[in-house]
Order: sequence, then structure tokens, then C-alpha cells
Amino acid sequence: RKEVEQDPGPFNVPEGATVAFNCTYSNSASQSFFWYRQDCRKEPKLLMSVYSSGNEDGRFTAQLNRASQYISLLIRDSKLSDSATYLCVVNSRNEKLTFGTGTRLTIIP
Amino acid sequence: EAQVTQNPRYLITVTGKKLTVTCSQNMNHEYMSWYRQDPGLGLRQIYYSMNVEVTDKGDVPEGYKVSRKEKRNFPLILESPSPNQTSLYFCASSSTPRGTNYGYTFGSGTRLTVV
Repeated sequence: RKEVEQDPGPFNVPEGATVAFNCTYSNSASQSFFWYRQDCRKEPKLLMSVYSSGNEDGRFTAQLNRASQYISLLIRDSKLSDSATYLCVVNSRNEKLTFGTGTRLTIIP
Repeated sequence: EAQVTQNPRYLITVTGKKLTVTCSQNMNHEYMSWYRQDPGLGLRQIYYSMNVEVTDKGDVPEGYKVSRKEKRNFPLILESPSPNQTSLYFCASSSTPRGTNYGYTFGSGTRLTVV
């Protein structure tokens, strides 16, 4: 089983819609969780950390479900500029961060 | 501005010709790491360094070397590049391996083609 698993997509979503995707992780002892955004051929950039109580940053909401070992990202009122690949990131057994392969999102005008 | 600087951005080389990709960070981070990214495989760690003179293998270290003589620099060395090392490479740094609340900061990437 992969340490971090994501649905690769692509998700094609009309502008203004709400989209959500999940990511599952295998290490029940993981403590650090992030969502990164990566534009085509660019470096990954931190979108948001994910906290136990869930957290929101503008149109973006991240949730952590420790019992089921998944994290989620919800994007409301999606914009064309939200088109990107979203990487789920979790700290692995040796403490380092492990990256999922990403979920590709395209917002359609 | 806090950043990780990688050079070169693009490199085309021939099989067997030694090359070095440089990485420098100005955030006084102790932890630095190299990744390669290939379609369908995501980011895979090549080598990492916990501090000066402390380096260790990641998940795909074969064919690569690194050094950490100074805190800010972490070059990636390919002694004898082969076509299967054609990839997009990223350097990253953080204050801790786990990334604290800020995750990792990545360089802009180096697209390497070995022919």
C-alpha cells in the first residue's frame, strides 16, 4: 500500500462550482499534513497546513479524519486560476514528508 | 526574500558526462532534500541532509551523490548520467524534516535531459 494515495483525476469542474478531493495515508502515527499546489512544470508551493480541528483559508477548507486516515480539500466558488495539480503531503514513518502523486484539477469557463 | 535557488533551470547533456546541479537556500534551514519528479510517479526523494556534513539516502539514490559542506548549499552530483535520469529535479529546504507549520520550500526546478 502506498504511504499516500490520491485520485489522479483529472477533475474538470465548471467555474464557480465547489470541488472536493480526498487523500488517504497509511501511517497512523503521522502528525504533519499539508496540501501543496503545483502548476504545470513549476515547483510545488504550500497551499495550507491541515490541522486536527480542520481549517479554512478563504475559499479553501482542509479537514483531517484520523480515524479513517484521510485528509480532504474543499474549494468553494472555484476560479480559473485554481486549475493546478494538488498534492497531498504527510510525514512518513521516518519523519520526512511523503508526497502523493497529485490530483489534477481543471476549472472550465 | 526567503528562497531556494537552483541552477541551471534547464540542462541537456550526453550520457556519461559528469554534471552538478546547485541548490542554495537563504533561510538558515537545517534540513535540505533533493527530489525527482516523473509522470505518474510523483515526487521521489533522492537524498537528504539533516545538517552540515550529515547526508543520507532517500528512496531513489542510485546514480546520484550529494554533499553538504555549508549549511546553505546542497549540490546534486551525477557522476555518469544516463538517459533514465532524465527528469524534473527539485531541491527543497525546511527547518525540520517534518516541515513544522510551513512545509518545505522548493526551488524552481531543473529540467534535465540526458541523451
